[in-house]
Amino acid sequence: GAVVSQHPSWVICKSGTSVKIECRSLDFQATTMFWYRQFPKQSLMLMATSNEGSKATYEQGVEKDKFLINHASLTLSTLTVTSAHPEDSSFYICSASPEVGSNHGYTFGSGTRLTVV
Amino acid sequence: AQSVAQPEDQVNVAEGNPLTVKCTYSVSGNPYLFWYVQYPNRGLQFLLKYITGDNLVKGSYGFEAEFNKSQTSFHLKKPSALVSDSALYFCAVRDMGETGANNLFFGTGTRLTVIP
Repeated sequence: GAVVSQHPSWVICKSGTSVKIECRSLDFQATTMFWYRQFPKQSLMLMATSNEGSKATYEQGVEKDKFLINHASLTLSTLTVTSAHPEDSSFYICSASPEVGSNHGYTFGSGTRLTVV
Repeated sequence: AQSVAQPEDQVNVAEGNPLTVKCTYSVSGNPYLFWYVQYPNRGLQFLLKYITGDNLVKGSYGFEAEFNKSQTSFHLKKPSALVSDSALYFCAVRDMGETGANNLFFGTGTRLTVIP
């Protein structure tokens, strides 16, 4: 079945530094991947839609200069949290579908727990 | 615009008893409906989906859900709960009436606790 790998699973960084999170589709090509953010005891909030070969589409209120998304290939999307601050600490999850626009379900990565100290 | 409501933050059920986790939705077109389960510090695992066809959908781990168009509901059910079913459950919808809306919109989640 469709597998999405997300790395790292957790990261601790100092305030002001940047952190890169990778999302890979292991056994299928994904022209579109989705990045979500989840605060403790809350639902997943869509941050942005990552499009292979073009600019990402950001949801309202998400700073595109802070959360840089690169989708350089059909199997890899990266989210870089730039100049991280403690309020960026959260659980970040990516997802992809083998065929966007079809009735396939979405496969989620295992998530990345970011802690900014 | 689409929305998903999970009216219960917490559901407690005794092991062996039937469980129900509620979900209602609002979309402009036909809905694609999903249920996912999340264990602590993990991503979401797919349980089941409704696209079209039979209103009763069977999924993983003995779970099933019933699509009710008139009530715009998609409640998750299981005949006999296990302690290992304790987790956070999310209902999600994709609004096929929204052009370009390929992403899922999630409910706020329901924490299920199965008591031994």
